[in-house]
Amino acid sequence: EVHLVESGGGLVQPGGSLRLSCAVSGFTFTTYYMSWVRQAPGKGLEWVASISQDGSDKYYLDSVKGRFFVSRDNAEDSLFLRMNSLRAGDTAVYYCARHFCGGDCSVFNFFDLWGRGTLVTVSS
Amino acid sequence: DIVMTQSPESLAVSLGERATISCKSSQSIFYMSNSKNYLAWYQQKPGQPPKVLISWASTRVSGVPDRFTGSGSGTDFTLTITSLQAEDVAVYYCQQYFNSRTSFGQGTKLEIK
Repeated sequence: EVHLVESGGGLVQPGGSLRLSCAVSGFTFTTYYMSWVRQAPGKGLEWVASISQDGSDKYYLDSVKGRFFVSRDNAEDSLFLRMNSLRAGDTAVYYCARHFCGGDCSVFNFFDLWGRGTLVTVSS
Repeated sequence: DIVMTQSPESLAVSLGERATISCKSSQSIFYMSNSKNYLAWYQQKPGQPPKVLISWASTRVSGVPDRFTGSGSGTDFTLTITSLQAEDVAVYYCQQYFNSRTSFGQGTKLEIK
């Protein structure tokens, strides 16, 4: 069965750092583009970052550019999000999501698989 | 960046009746070379991650009941739920994936009247 399991969330002070992980199982990780999507408490979905299959292409939401860094370890079937200089506005559940791949396995695909998310709270 | 705007923000519909949610993009998300609209619809129930219902504006994902229908092209799209069931109570989001920097609508909360 296919799974995405996020971890690494928690309470961090403003200006602090955190590293989120997403462990993948049940499918060939190297086939897929992957992304992080967040959801602030009681709010809507906001895309954060995407990474290509080999890690060579990365895209970021403007408000996290230069602070957040997406990466992947294909040998370990894992996706990561390094978050620096955290702000209160970064408080959210962070979801790991897989881009659909049906021939064209580009970034231009919807999300067909989601993890259950990990909560990041930025507060003093 | 492409801005997605949904309406209404919330909607109350009686069981068995029709629910209609609109989604507009700030620019066309129709790609002429393959004649596809790069739009998806998601359903999110409380405490759960989103679940994709519709891709390419009108293609129902496997396992999704046929009471869910997506339509529209270019910049204007609609999700229609015919014969509303109690389990359809959720927040619904549209998403454009025409741009490498994807974006979502703000969500529409669907409740039972």
